[in-house]
Amino acid sequence: AQKVTQAQTEISVVEKEDVTLDCVYETRDTTYYLFWYKQPPSGELVFLIRRNSFDEQNEISGRYSWNFQKSTSSFNFTITASQVVDSAVYFCALSEVSGYSTLTFGKGTMLLVSP
Amino acid sequence: NAGVTQTPKFRVLKTGQSMTLLCAQDMNHEYMYWYRQDPGMGLRLIHYSVGEGTTAKGEVPDGYNVSRLKKQNFLLGLESAAPSQTSVYFCASSPASVGTQYFGPGTRLLVL
Repeated sequence: AQKVTQAQTEISVVEKEDVTLDCVYETRDTTYYLFWYKQPPSGELVFLIRRNSFDEQNEISGRYSWNFQKSTSSFNFTITASQVVDSAVYFCALSEVSGYSTLTFGKGTMLLVSP
Repeated sequence: NAGVTQTPKFRVLKTGQSMTLLCAQDMNHEYMYWYRQDPGMGLRLIHYSVGEGTTAKGEVPDGYNVSRLKKQNFLLGLESAAPSQTSVYFCASSPASVGTQYFGPGTRLLVL
């Protein structure tokens, strides 16, 4: 069975600090997809990134970057120069190709960025 | 551009009452999902549908039923609400079997 672990329940940083959110996953499939979603205090779920298991290139989007390492089954998310607006709960999720793309979510990491 | 919408946004029920949550999407997506979110638990899949007229159970289906009579709508029903069903319910849709899921704004349900 697939599983996603976000060991960090809550992280507090001061604005402009860099912060990395960890995500470790378990799956028996060789083909799968990994996702990150953001849930700001307003409650909606915002899609951030989708990565397939064959693409291990790191990705950068503005202040956001993602480090996918198959060898350690990790898909970590780094925010550079954090801002107060980054305060949110961040969820990592896994979808196996064989499972009708149902998502298995981690329990989330709450990030609090203070001014 | 509405995307995924959910009705109602908030509801209070008494134990034993029934209700239906409506999810609608205007993106012509084949796949639709219902999740519940509880504190410290992340999101857990209740039921899902891979096309009009089909439904399947997810991780936590007990106490819920679903129907997908039209491609754009996915209904979640609670026949006899229990306090354990107090939660925030999210609907999502996806264009393909491994596509990105796009979420609605959520429905907050309180069962007394």
